[in-house]
Amino acid sequence: QVQLQESGPGLVKPSETLSLTCTVSGGSINNYYWSWIRQPPGEGLQWVGYIHYSGNTNYNPSLRSRVTMSVDTSKNQFSLKLSSVTAADTAVYYCARHDSGDYSLDYWGQGTLVTVSS
Amino acid sequence: QAGLTQPPSVSKGLRQTATLTCTANSDNVGNQGVAWLQLHQGHPPKLLSYRNNNRPSGISERLSASRSGNTASLTITGLQPEDEADYYCSAWDSSLSAWVFGGGTKLTVL
Repeated sequence: QVQLQESGPGLVKPSETLSLTCTVSGGSINNYYWSWIRQPPGEGLQWVGYIHYSGNTNYNPSLRSRVTMSVDTSKNQFSLKLSSVTAADTAVYYCARHDSGDYSLDYWGQGTLVTVSS
Repeated sequence: QAGLTQPPSVSKGLRQTATLTCTANSDNVGNQGVAWLQLHQGHPPKLLSYRNNNRPSGISERLSASRSGNTASLTITGLQPEDEADYYCSAWDSSLSAWVFGGGTKLTVL
């Protein structure tokens, strides 16, 4: 059974960079696309972007200027960096896998709350 | 503006049937199919349906999804208290080159 686990600081100061890592277990990171999705308090889901195991990326146009994703296949991990954060970036951040057939998000991490505050 | 539109809330009685809808706002959304997710407070999203009408293994047969034109639907029969949750549809928007979610529907089981 594929499992995903997010890790990283739960508190980030305004204007700094949010950094999260997703560790995949029970399966290989290879041959799949992997996404970050977030949910601000009281709001809906927002796709942040995806990364392919090859390193190919695609980001939400509204966040593109601040997002960087990377992948480390040797560790079965992929990461998210979001720069110049504000309180609006406070959210539960999920990592998830895209199914190889229709690209629906079939496996999700538990999510981690990141709060932006001084 | 959103690529997918969902009603904010639906309320139905115990053991009744609820149908949740999701409308794509353009022909560029959902060409590879629409998926449905369930979110319970404090838990990660769970995939309920993919590619318009396919149910992953382990998902209750009380749930079924369909699509007609730009509108996708998720039907839940014999509503149970545990069905009370937020439901999101999702799909690829080829014009934005982005994965999009509907605003979510809060299902209340009375």
